Amino acid sequence: EIVMTQSPATLSVSLGERATLSCRAGQSVSSNLAWYQQKPGQAPRLLIYGSSARATGIPARFSGGGSGTEFTLTISSLQSEDFAVYYCQQYNSWPLTFGGGTRVEIK
Amino acid sequence: QVQLVESGGGVVQPGRSLRLSCAASGFTFSSFGMHWVRQAPGKGLEWVALISYDGSNEFYGDSVRGRFTVSRDNSKNTLYLQMNSLTTDDTALYFCARGSRELDHWGQGTLVTVSS
Repeated sequence: EIVMTQSPATLSVSLGERATLSCRAGQSVSSNLAWYQQKPGQAPRLLIYGSSARATGIPARFSGGGSGTEFTLTISSLQSEDFAVYYCQQYNSWPLTFGGGTRVEIK
Repeated sequence: QVQLVESGGGVVQPGRSLRLSCAASGFTFSSFGMHWVRQAPGKGLEWVALISYDGSNEFYGDSVRGRFTVSRDNSKNTLYLQMNSLTTDDTALYFCARGSRELDHWGQGTLVTVSS
């Protein structure tokens, strides 16, 4: 199984600031990586797939990048609704695996 | 719009079985792979299983392989998860989600509690 490691575990950011989240794969997953946002009491929501493609309805302030083993999710200017937990997920090989998550909190 | 509604959760004793269901609407169910993903209380996401659009292929996470079985009834637009030999480690909120690889729509989940 491919282990996905996210860092940092918690990111404290002020409104309007830029946030950069990292995700590392234990072995290459090519560009077969997705990012999800989860708010308390809600189901996860797909943000990014194929490492950099935004899902339907996702604002342009969310961007993804990377390939192989190193990936980033960038939120260019944090809005109040962006404070949540973010998960990466590889779908290059079975079993599919998620990272442990990064909590983005208000500084 | 796409809707996924899970049901069948509850409290069950260790060693017993439970079957979850996921009713789908708002899209052509028979054209999409479907997943189960779980989340233990206060923890992260754990992928459980995938079934292909026509039910011909199934894949499982390491922790459930051999105990859980995913199935679907395309005539009823419904996904299932048969869970056997449950342990306390299976306590979680179980989500169904649409997709072949990335999961583009999720239900709200059904809670399974394994406790004596």
